Amino acid sequence: QVQLVHSGAEVKKPGASVKVSCKVSGYTLTKLSMHWVRQAPGKGLEWMGGFDPEDGDTVYAHRFQGRVTMTEDTSTDTAYMELSSLRSEDTAVYYCATLGMITLGGVIVPHFEYWGQGTLVTVSS
Amino acid sequence: EIVMTQSPATLSVSPGDRATLSCRASQSVSSKLAWYQQKPGQAPRLLIYGASTRATGIPARFSGSGSGTEFTLTISSLQSEDFAVYYCQQYHKWPPWTFGQGTKVEIE
Repeated sequence: QVQLVHSGAEVKKPGASVKVSCKVSGYTLTKLSMHWVRQAPGKGLEWMGGFDPEDGDTVYAHRFQGRVTMTEDTSTDTAYMELSSLRSEDTAVYYCATLGMITLGGVIVPHFEYWGQGTLVTVSS
Repeated sequence: EIVMTQSPATLSVSPGDRATLSCRASQSVSSKLAWYQQKPGQAPRLLIYGASTRATGIPARFSGSGSGTEFTLTISSLQSEDFAVYYCQQYHKWPPWTFGQGTKVEIE
């Protein structure tokens, strides 16, 4: 059973950067495609980016490009999401989630199979 | 970007009743749609993928249907643990993969 454990809550000032970690247990990170989703307080879910297993690249949502970097340390099975130039609107819970790919009727069907518990990042002066 | 629209925003249902949640895509997403359940203070939980396939461990009272632009999540007989927010998400075209804004299922 895959388990994803996040780093603890963070409080940052506007303009700073934050790096959130997500440690995998019960499986090997190299065999997973990790993605990141965030949720502002009382709001819905927003996909930020993640690993594309088809071409081996990390894909970012356009609105975060230039500000977000997603990396992995395979020696510790830990994924990281770093967001820079923080503003108050970045206050949110940041989740890592693993991408599952199943073939149904000849069609590859992606889905977020396992989720971490999330890391609350608060941006405040 | 594909816009996902869920309705209603809030659904008031009595335990034991049937709940029907809708999700509409701004363009066809084929069957590449998933449903998630989220309870307060918890991470989302995968319920349905491929529009109609239940994830491992999901009770049979949850069912998904639809293809193209119109999708439905049905909970046949609501249990107390089913009161939560439900999100649909399309996986047809990225970036970005987009979520609906959510439907809150509350006790009537």
